[in-house]
Amino acid sequence: EIVMTQSPATLSVSPGERATLSCRASQSISSDLAWYQQKPGQAPRLLITGASSRATGVPARFSGSGSGTEFSLTISSLQSEDSAVYYCQQYNNWPPLTFGGGTKVEIK
Amino acid sequence: EVQLVESGGGLVQPGGSLRLSCVASGFTFSSHWMSWVRQAPGKGLEWVANIKHDGSEKFYVDSVKGRFTISRDNTKNSLYLQMNSLRAEDTAVYYCARNGRTGDCWGQGTLVTVSS
Repeated sequence: EIVMTQSPATLSVSPGERATLSCRASQSISSDLAWYQQKPGQAPRLLITGASSRATGVPARFSGSGSGTEFSLTISSLQSEDSAVYYCQQYNNWPPLTFGGGTKVEIK
Repeated sequence: EVQLVESGGGLVQPGGSLRLSCVASGFTFSSHWMSWVRQAPGKGLEWVANIKHDGSEKFYVDSVKGRFTISRDNTKNSLYLQMNSLRAEDTAVYYCARNGRTGDCWGQGTLVTVSS
């Protein structure tokens, strides 16, 4: 099973600042990585697939990068509505599909 | 508009059974893999199972193998999760999601609580 590790657990960023979230895979997953955003009381929302391709309707301030075992999600200019928990998920070697533990982004 | 609506959750005793349903609309259900993903209270996301568009392939996380069964009825645009021998650790919100590897559309979830 591929283990996904996210860091930091919590990130506090001021509005308009850049936020960078990290995700590491226990073995190479090529670019088979997705990112999700989950706000309190809501279902997850797909943001990124293929490590760097934004899903339909996702604002351009969200960008993903990385390949192999190291990945990142960057929010270029944080907005108040970006306060949420963000999860990475690998789909290279499955079953099982596996998620990281999440990074909570807070607005300062 | 793509929509997924889950139902069937509730309170069940350990060892009991529940059947979750997910009704899809706004897209060609029979063309898509479908998945169940769960989230224990205050915890992260855990993939549970997925099923090929025609039902010919099914995959499960080890912790539910032999207890849960995923199925679908393409004539009713519906996805199901039959859950037997439920345990306290199965307590979670269960989401259905479109697609087998990455969920590009999710339902609102249905809460399953396993407790005596």
